[in-house]
Amino acid sequence: QVQLQESGPGVVKPSQTLSLTCTVSGGSINSGGNYWSWIRQPAGKGLEWIGRIYARGSTNYNPSLKSRVTISADTSKNQFYMKMNSVTAADTAVYYCARDSIEGPWTFDPWGQGTLVTVSS
Amino acid sequence: EIVMTQSPATLSVSPGERATLSCRASQSVSSNLAWYQQKPGQAPRLLIYGASTRATDIPARFSGSGSGTEFTLTISSLQSEDFAVYYCQQYIDWARLTFGGGTKVEIK
Repeated sequence: QVQLQESGPGVVKPSQTLSLTCTVSGGSINSGGNYWSWIRQPAGKGLEWIGRIYARGSTNYNPSLKSRVTISADTSKNQFYMKMNSVTAADTAVYYCARDSIEGPWTFDPWGQGTLVTVSS
Repeated sequence: EIVMTQSPATLSVSPGERATLSCRASQSVSSNLAWYQQKPGQAPRLLIYGASTRATDIPARFSGSGSGTEFTLTISSLQSEDFAVYYCQQYIDWARLTFGGGTKVEIK
């Protein structure tokens, strides 16, 4: 059973770069056909898809965030990453990593538990 | 960007009653529509994909319907564990996935 776990700094200063790691267990991120995404949720608000990386390395980004986000992966560590530069208070949110569901393409299952990132000086 | 609009924002229902949640897309998404359930402090859980197919281990009291721009999630007999926030998500535009704003199902 695949499980995901996010990790990150908790607090990031405005204008700096946010870096998050998603560690995958119970399966390989390099398995064929797997896509791995980042999704965020500001407190009390809805969900926003940030972007995805394919097992073989290609990426797609939400056009609204594309200029500030980079998603990468390290198959040897079974981890994938998200970097967001020039953060502002509007980037304060719970950040989730998730795998595309094997049942329904471009839907998400499972998800990590989420990690809260606060942008504050 | 395909905008997903959910209604109502809050739905008050008594246990055992039926709940009907709506999701509207700003343009046709065919049947490329998923529903998720999110409880406080937890990640969302996939309930429905393909507008009407239940994900693995999802109880039969959850059902989805619709196509094009109008979709419905029905919970036939609300259990205590079903009180949560529900989100719809379109994936016809796989390069720009979008979610609705959510419907909170609360105890009446």
